[in-house]
Amino acid sequence: LAKTTQPISMDSYEGQEVNITCSHNNIATNDYITWYQQFPSQGPRFIIQGYKTKVTNEVASLFIPADRKSSTLSLPRVSLSDTAVYYCLVARVQGNNRKLIWGLGTSLAVNP
Amino acid sequence: DGGITQSPKYLFRKEGQNVTLSCEQNLNHDAMYWYRQDPGQGLRLIYYSQIVNDFQKGDIAEGYSVSREKKESFPLTVTSAQKNPTAFYLCASSGPVDTQYFGPGTRLTVL
Repeated sequence: LAKTTQPISMDSYEGQEVNITCSHNNIATNDYITWYQQFPSQGPRFIIQGYKTKVTNEVASLFIPADRKSSTLSLPRVSLSDTAVYYCLVARVQGNNRKLIWGLGTSLAVNP
Repeated sequence: DGGITQSPKYLFRKEGQNVTLSCEQNLNHDAMYWYRQDPGQGLRLIYYSQIVNDFQKGDIAEGYSVSREKKESFPLTVTSAQKNPTAFYLCASSGPVDTQYFGPGTRLTVL
């Protein structure tokens, strides 16, 4: 099953675009990719999910190349409130079985 | 107001005691999950359940037990067999598209 690897930490400034990349070299055909945001002492919050190419919603974009061995979460124009830990999840669904491989998280610090 | 709730928020346990963490959801989701998170670490799956009266072990099920008697509820028992139970415990549920919605978490401390 795919192992997910992401940078431990990143720094940015308000108003900048931030791109966080997750590597999942052994991703399988039916696996899908989801990103979550977590603030201290809270449960993670869903950001975006995708399978291939590009997905965009009101808060982020997710870029997945054709080989699907990586994915990039893009946060446009970050603010101080985007300071959080961001997790990449690669998940496989086979009937009632789930295999969930979480990255260790990227701690994003947004500076004024 | 739909959501997923966990109680209590903080829990203290003496060594050798079993303790049960509550998780309830009113999202009408079939699937529910329990995770453990240690300081500075990612999420590790303890148990999950895709349907009532059925559940599967995750990556770190030893020392834990669950039940799924109702769709809305998925309680987790941390038994005395769990050697290092101090952690932040997160419950989640998911619907047909498998997006997980998390509760606020329970912080368990063993004294």
